Amino acid sequence: GEDVEQSLFLSVREGDSSVINCTYTDSSSTYLYWYKQEPGAGLQLLTYIFSNMDMKQDQRLTVLLNKKDKHLSLRIADTQTGDSAIYFCAESAANNLFFGTGTRLTVIP
Amino acid sequence: DAGVIQSPRHEVTEMGQEVTLRCKPISGHNSLFWYRQTMMRGLELLIYFNNNVPIDDSGMPEDRFSAKMPNASFSTLKIQPSEPRDSAVYFCASTPGSGEQYFGPGTRLTVT
Repeated sequence: GEDVEQSLFLSVREGDSSVINCTYTDSSSTYLYWYKQEPGAGLQLLTYIFSNMDMKQDQRLTVLLNKKDKHLSLRIADTQTGDSAIYFCAESAANNLFFGTGTRLTVIP
Repeated sequence: DAGVIQSPRHEVTEMGQEVTLRCKPISGHNSLFWYRQTMMRGLELLIYFNNNVPIDDSGMPEDRFSAKMPNASFSTLKIQPSEPRDSAVYFCASTPGSGEQYFGPGTRLTVT
C-alpha cells in the first residue's frame, strides 16, 4: 500500500508557528489532506490541496506541497492551546485515502 | 446536516460476546469506510463500500469481523466472537466521491 510518514510529536509555545511535515509515496495522488483529531473525537477535515498547486492558505493555516520531493507541510500561525491535537496527513490513491501515523501537537502556554 | 452518526459511542463487553457497531453516513454520500484506531497500530482501514457494495475488505483482520451495508443510509460492523485485542476506537467515514472523507465520532470498544 501507500506509505505516508510523519513525525510523531511536536511541541511549540503559544503564539509561535507550528510546522507539521509529511512525506508520501504516490506521485499520482490527486489531492492531499490534513485532518485534525481532538481527544475523544473523530478526524476533522482541516484543509486539502490539489496536486497541481504548491501552496494554499486558509486563515492561520498554510499548506505547502513539494511534489518533486513528495513532501507536504502544514503551518499553523499564532498557535493557540486549542490547536493541541493529533494532525494526520493523507494522500488519495485508488479511490481511497492513506493516512500517516499522525503528529501529536502540544502547545505550551 | 448531522454528519456521520455512529452508535453506540461506547461499548464494553466480555470476551466471546458478539458486538455490532452501527453507522449512518451523510445523506448523498456514495462511499463508506470503516477504520480502527489503536495506540499501537494507528489508524487502519478495515473495509470500504461504494454504492453499498464492498470494494476492499483486505483490512478486515479475521473472519470474526464482518461488515454489511444493506442500504445507502446504514452500515454495520460485527465482531463475533469478540476478543480483548479488538479493543479500539472504530470510526466510520463517508465521502461524496470527491476524495475527502467525513468521519463520525467513533465507537470506543472495550472487550474484557
